[in-house]
Amino acid sequence: SAVISQKPSRDICQRGTSLTIQCQVDSQVTMMFWYRQQPGQSLTLIATANQGSEATYESGFVIDKFPISRPNLTFSTLTVSNMSPEDSSIYLCSVRDSYNQETQYFGPGTRLLVL
Amino acid sequence: AQKVTQAQTEISVVEKEDVTLDCVYETRDTTYYLFWYKQPPSGELVFLIRRNSFDEQNEISGRYSWNFQKSTSSFNFTITASQVVDSAVYFCALSESNTGAQKLVFGQGTRLTINP
Repeated sequence: SAVISQKPSRDICQRGTSLTIQCQVDSQVTMMFWYRQQPGQSLTLIATANQGSEATYESGFVIDKFPISRPNLTFSTLTVSNMSPEDSSIYLCSVRDSYNQETQYFGPGTRLLVL
Repeated sequence: AQKVTQAQTEISVVEKEDVTLDCVYETRDTTYYLFWYKQPPSGELVFLIRRNSFDEQNEISGRYSWNFQKSTSSFNFTITASQVVDSAVYFCALSESNTGAQKLVFGQGTRLTINP
């Protein structure tokens, strides 16, 4: 399976600021996914990021709040903009397995606390 | 619409007991995939198993086993002779093969605590 890393692993931010989370994969992948896990909750898909095209956002998530970049096949960033305490969550990126495309593997996550 | 229900919010057992985590799903499609992931306290999500809708064979991997029954739309996960290291939140998830994007829909998770 792909090896996925995320930076930062955790951060504490002030409300009104923005944080950019990086996701790096050790192999080229077509699609990358960004999920949010609010405290004590399940995972919810924010958007799907394809290289060379605009990200596709799920209902309830908008580009102005969560802009995504996908400059190449091994890297993506998610920005959490104008943060509020409600944005405190774990943010995880995932990729499809190269051989078994139905399976998604996840990065270690970024724990964000907004004060 | 897809939906995954894990009715057990929390389970606590003593080490060496067997424990079953329930998962019930809803989908209108005939082709779909089911998954189990483990999330230990460190927070990363660890893939455990994938099952497609055409394969109802039960699977065993060491102390872990999975029972997939299309008739009841269930995909239950059993840990035999549980160990403290099994303590984690376990998520069941569903994806539909024909959506292209293969979005994963997760259940609410079951927090499993194994007490020594």
